[in-house]
Amino acid sequence: KQEVTQIPAALSVPEGENLVLNCSFTDSAIYNLQWFRQDPGKGLTSLLLIQSSQREQTSGRLNASLDKSSGRSTLYIAASQPGDSATYLCAVRYSGAGSYQLTFGKGTKLSVIP
Amino acid sequence: NAGVTQTPKFQVLKTGQSMTLQCAQDMNHNSMYWYRQDPGMGLRLIYYSASEGTTDKGEVPNGYNVSRLNKREFSLRLESAAPSQTSVYFCATELRTLYYEAFFGQGTRLTVV
Repeated sequence: KQEVTQIPAALSVPEGENLVLNCSFTDSAIYNLQWFRQDPGKGLTSLLLIQSSQREQTSGRLNASLDKSSGRSTLYIAASQPGDSATYLCAVRYSGAGSYQLTFGKGTKLSVIP
Repeated sequence: NAGVTQTPKFQVLKTGQSMTLQCAQDMNHNSMYWYRQDPGMGLRLIYYSASEGTTDKGEVPNGYNVSRLNKREFSLRLESAAPSQTSVYFCATELRTLYYEAFFGQGTRLTVV
């Protein structure tokens, strides 16, 4: 069974810090990887999508990297703000068996302290 | 442009009652999904519909049924609700072309007592 792991489960940082969220996956046969943000009581908002052929994607203060050989992705947030406080979910789309289904990690809950 | 709309947002059911969760999208996407999210478990796929007229089981389909009414709408039915089905339910859509990217609704918080 494919597994996606996000460590740490929770992270607290002071405002202004740069930070890295980690995602690891067990099967390198991925089609793409998607990072989401989830605010309390809300749905998932797509942040970045990285195709298997790409190394990184950037959007504003966010940068996501992908290393298929090591089974890892990182989400880098520059100059963190209190508004970045949320749970960040990593989801991997596997290409094995032709299903292309998403497998989710359990998320990292980020708190940015003013 | 509403994206993915789920109704209702909140629901309390008694054990054994039935209900249907509705999902509608205006993104013209061909694939639609139902997930449940439970503390400590992450999101798990219940059912999906790769295209209009087709549905398939996901990881946790027991106790649920689905209907892909048309391209826009995908409903999830609980025939006889159980406390174990207390969860937050999310509908998602994808446009399966070169880039498979998922978009989610705001969720339905269901409590079965």
